[in-house]
Amino acid sequence: DVVLTQTPVSLSVTLGDQASISCRSSQSLEYSDGYTYLEWYLQKPGQSPQLLIYGVSNRFSGVPDRFIGSGSGTDFTLKISRVEPEDLGVYYCFQATHDPYTFGAGTKLELK
Amino acid sequence: QVQLKESGPGLVQPSQTLSLTCTVSGFSLTSNSVHWVRQPPGKGLEWMGGIWGDGSTDYNSALKSRLSISRDTSKSQVFLKMNSLQTDDTAIYFCCNWFAYWGQGTLVTVSS
Repeated sequence: DVVLTQTPVSLSVTLGDQASISCRSSQSLEYSDGYTYLEWYLQKPGQSPQLLIYGVSNRFSGVPDRFIGSGSGTDFTLKISRVEPEDLGVYYCFQATHDPYTFGAGTKLELK
Repeated sequence: QVQLKESGPGLVQPSQTLSLTCTVSGFSLTSNSVHWVRQPPGKGLEWMGGIWGDGSTDYNSALKSRLSISRDTSKSQVFLKMNSLQTDDTAIYFCCNWFAYWGQGTLVTVSS
């Protein structure tokens, strides 16, 4: 199975700071069709995960442009510029290139 | 708009079978996939399996021997059945439309 390693496990920030989360895959996530099925989710306490980024760098409908996804192959990054209170929670990366699909273990973004 | 809602028993006895229903609206099951994801309390996310628009299914190999996913397109419902439940199957079970839109989740506790 593909293992997604997220770092850091937790991240303490001040509102208005930039935050950066890394997701490294044990295998390349580029599918045979050339697409990379790497997504990012935010799960707030007591809520379902919400899709932020799909296909490495595409923001889902309604997601603010302060969320930026980048990367290729096995190394991916989610950057959040100017962290706001509603950005706090647990971030997960997810891959749907290889079966079984897998999630990273999560990165908790909290206030310093 | 796209909506999904999970329903089923909150409590299941060990060794019994879990049956969950995901009722969807705002999209067609014949042209969209629906997946099941679970989350043990306080832990990360696990993809369980999904059913595609053509009715074919994919399962996580770790659960494949116990899991079945089916649907009734006339009722806009997707079903999950998993047998031989144990206490470590206690989790919140989510259904989602290709991981973009998620239900609220339903907590299933396995206990005698």
